[in-house]
Amino acid sequence: GENVEQHPSTLSVQEGDSAVIKCTYSDSASNYFPWYKQELGKGPQLIIDIRSNVGEKKDQRIAVTLNKTAKHFSLHITETQPEDSAVYFCAASIDTDKLIFGTGTRLQVFP
Amino acid sequence: DAGVIQSPRHEVTEMGQEVTLRCKPISGHDYLFWYRQTMMRGLELLIYFNNNVPIDDSGMPEDRFSAKMPNASFSTLKIQPSEPRDSAVYFCASSRTGSTGELFFGEGSRLTVL
Repeated sequence: GENVEQHPSTLSVQEGDSAVIKCTYSDSASNYFPWYKQELGKGPQLIIDIRSNVGEKKDQRIAVTLNKTAKHFSLHITETQPEDSAVYFCAASIDTDKLIFGTGTRLQVFP
Repeated sequence: DAGVIQSPRHEVTEMGQEVTLRCKPISGHDYLFWYRQTMMRGLELLIYFNNNVPIDDSGMPEDRFSAKMPNASFSTLKIQPSEPRDSAVYFCASSRTGSTGELFFGEGSRLTVL
């Protein structure tokens, strides 16, 4: 089955700096790659997603890139703010099959 | 819309007791997922339903766990008997389009088994 690895497990940045989180997946048939943000005491919430027919997608300060050949995808957050502090999860799925999550990255943005 | 509603938010019980977690999905969502979150294993999919029918329960740890969806607006996850290693946060999520669309998560049920 699909396996998703995520790095780093923790990331600390200064406010205004960029943050990059990387994930790799094992099944080349995976075609949907969402990113979720989880704030303390809450459930994960979708922030951006990308499908296998697209190499990059951007939404304001966040962007996701996908390299199908290498089977890895990354989340980029620019101009980080304290409210970006949270746990971020990548995930992968094949068609309507189950969504498999990475192990999470705890991002801390220091003012 | 009120979002996905889970209850209880917190549950503390003793080993051997039965635990029932409840979920009300967003109206109109045909898919319902149960996930378990722990520090060691992250977010694990336990089971998911499509139109109230269980599709994949391969993530259910063992026979002590069972899940039902008697109608489109209600699902339960039951653990009987509970064990300390079941301590975790259990999330319910619903979706219109399954795993290739946005999953809407509830706020979770934090279970502690003593």
